[in-house]
Amino acid sequence: QVVESGGGLVKPGGSLRLSCVASGFNFRAFDMNWVRQAPGKGLEWVSSITSSGAYIHYADSVEGRFTISRDNAKDSLYLQMSSLGAEDTAVYYCARSRFLDMDVWGNGTTVTVSS
Amino acid sequence: EIVMTQSPATLSVSPREGATLSCRASHSVNIDLAWYQQKPGQAPRLLIYGVSTRATGIPARFSGSGSGTDFTLTISSLQSEDFAVYYCQQYNKWPLTFGGGTKVEIK
Repeated sequence: QVVESGGGLVKPGGSLRLSCVASGFNFRAFDMNWVRQAPGKGLEWVSSITSSGAYIHYADSVEGRFTISRDNAKDSLYLQMSSLGAEDTAVYYCARSRFLDMDVWGNGTTVTVSS
Repeated sequence: EIVMTQSPATLSVSPREGATLSCRASHSVNIDLAWYQQKPGQAPRLLIYGVSTRATGIPARFSGSGSGTDFTLTISSLQSEDFAVYYCQQYNKWPLTFGGGTKVEIK
């Protein structure tokens, strides 16, 4: 399973770091992803990182503002978010890649950007 | 970017009836197509990958078909636990993209 944390209320322009801790599988063998869901909306892929961390992809909407990283020694995935705006308000899910589809999802952590 | 379009947005179905959900890609995604189910307040759950392969533990009443740009998720004989929102996702090209979802509701 994967468990996200780090969400909360942040002011526009602020920063936040999300974490995701994995258990029950060999974390270092899997690519990982962040997917978000704005209130009442559909799913939006945010970022992906390969198992070694060598390759990273971002959605255009977050490129240059968000940074994905991982620490395989700690079975952990991170998302550093900066220059946050109202459009970043969402539930953020950590998800394991089976291939580039996603077979293990956390329950999500909520990020609210508001003054 | 490959745009994924799902139809209909809402599908009203009686229990034990079948349902057919559609997903269309703006460009071919080959067979790199997955379906997810999401219930209110829950995380998405992978149902189908590779167009037609059921994920672990997914009942046989869920089936997927299609190729290229047009895909279908079929649910035969809907059970109460199947009323949910369903999303398709392409993973053929970056950025990964999801469809807008189809809500399957009780008629």
